[in-house]
Amino acid sequence: DTAVSQTPKYLVTQMGNDKSIKCEQNLGHDTMYWYKQDSKKFLKIMFSYNNKELIINETVPNRFSPKSPDKAHLNLHINSLELGDSAVYFCASSQPGSRENEQFFGPGTRLTVL
Amino acid sequence: AQTVTQSQPEMSVQEAETVTLSCTYDTSESDYYLFWYKQPPSRQMILVIRQEAYKQQNATENRFSVNFQKAAKSFSLKISDSQLGDAAMYFCATMNRDDKIIFGKGTRLHILP
Repeated sequence: DTAVSQTPKYLVTQMGNDKSIKCEQNLGHDTMYWYKQDSKKFLKIMFSYNNKELIINETVPNRFSPKSPDKAHLNLHINSLELGDSAVYFCASSQPGSRENEQFFGPGTRLTVL
Repeated sequence: AQTVTQSQPEMSVQEAETVTLSCTYDTSESDYYLFWYKQPPSRQMILVIRQEAYKQQNATENRFSVNFQKAAKSFSLKISDSQLGDAAMYFCATMNRDDKIIFGKGTRLHILP
């Protein structure tokens, strides 16, 4: 059973387009996250939602807008895509206050902006 | 602000040997967690081992163990009996009460047959 899933796995698009990446978790977790991994493999948090409410919002351009229709989903919408947006985007989820406190990651979405 | 430093961008170890990946961190929190994540070429992020900062005992998971030195803010990962499947990027990370994870820049581990 897939715990955290992301679609699509690969996304190739032209500069200026608008695209979305979907994330779903079936773990019953309250908190979900989006991370960006750049070409040098550096992982940086972008957003965190707890039960559909925005908790963490790092210095991310306004072109990035997370949307959480329910606590099992956290989608990432990107407007006016730029070359620098090319990266691998990871979704993750966790259950705050749990003994393990572990974040479970999705498989990643490789976004390539041409 | 939390920071995580992995000073070894790449390391190599002979199969069946032991290797230690270093990690130092800085945090003003008194209560936090530490993690090592593995990212193989498949790109999946896999939790290797976790440590609660309030626990003095070093965490161990099969061939993986940590050397947690709280005063020195050091959290190194030791891999014993290295296997080819251990080849991956390894990320050290801290998490505070806000569940915000800060990752280091990673160490690429090569296993030599």
